[in-house]
Amino acid sequence: EADIYQTPRYLVIGTGKKITLECSQTMGHDKMYWYQQDPGMELHLIHYSYGVNSTEKGDLSSESTVSRIRTEHFPLTLESARPSHTSQYLCASTDANTGELFFGEGSRLTVL
Amino acid sequence: AQKVTQAQTEISVVEKEDVTLDCVYETRDTTYYLFWYKQPPSGELVFLIRRNSFDEQNEISGRYSWNFQKSTSSFNFTITASQVVDSAVYFCALSEANSNYQLIWGAGTKLIIKP
Repeated sequence: EADIYQTPRYLVIGTGKKITLECSQTMGHDKMYWYQQDPGMELHLIHYSYGVNSTEKGDLSSESTVSRIRTEHFPLTLESARPSHTSQYLCASTDANTGELFFGEGSRLTVL
Repeated sequence: AQKVTQAQTEISVVEKEDVTLDCVYETRDTTYYLFWYKQPPSGELVFLIRRNSFDEQNEISGRYSWNFQKSTSSFNFTITASQVVDSAVYFCALSEANSNYQLIWGAGTKLIIKP
């Protein structure tokens, strides 16, 4: 069982609101990722981090931002949510020894 | 360029049938890793298998088996005697040793097992 947690699991908010999706892992992994995924569709990498104070944008352009102040914590923030941000957001971290990607349960965001 | 192709968008079979999900990859690296993940309707991604490029042995885990063939750049996944609980979207993924384990994902295959 992976020790990576995301909150909230589900969120419905109005347009223009600021939101932060939380992601924490207790495995001591340096590498962490945020993916955006519409249900049953391809995963798109939007942000990643290779360690504290390291953040990079992924393949898919996103209006979100991330921070990595602590190894275990990798929050994602939307300053002004829009209906086009409605999606599932998956946080993950990598075991550097095996390359296995561990996923959180996801945060399903709906912007009205 | 790295690429992962899952040509089957959706497969529907009747319970107890065997089913194979195809995965074809492209890479220039000689050292790479291949993965399969399962995503049930609940949405979480479940790790199934990781295989490195130097190990072409087929793997069997219960009703699941994987056929890795470098000659055809394929890493196919077979479920024997399928069950309704196998219904999910299955993703194949590739990472190169020199890419810091960033995964390249296939588009996924939706598997529907009918009772």
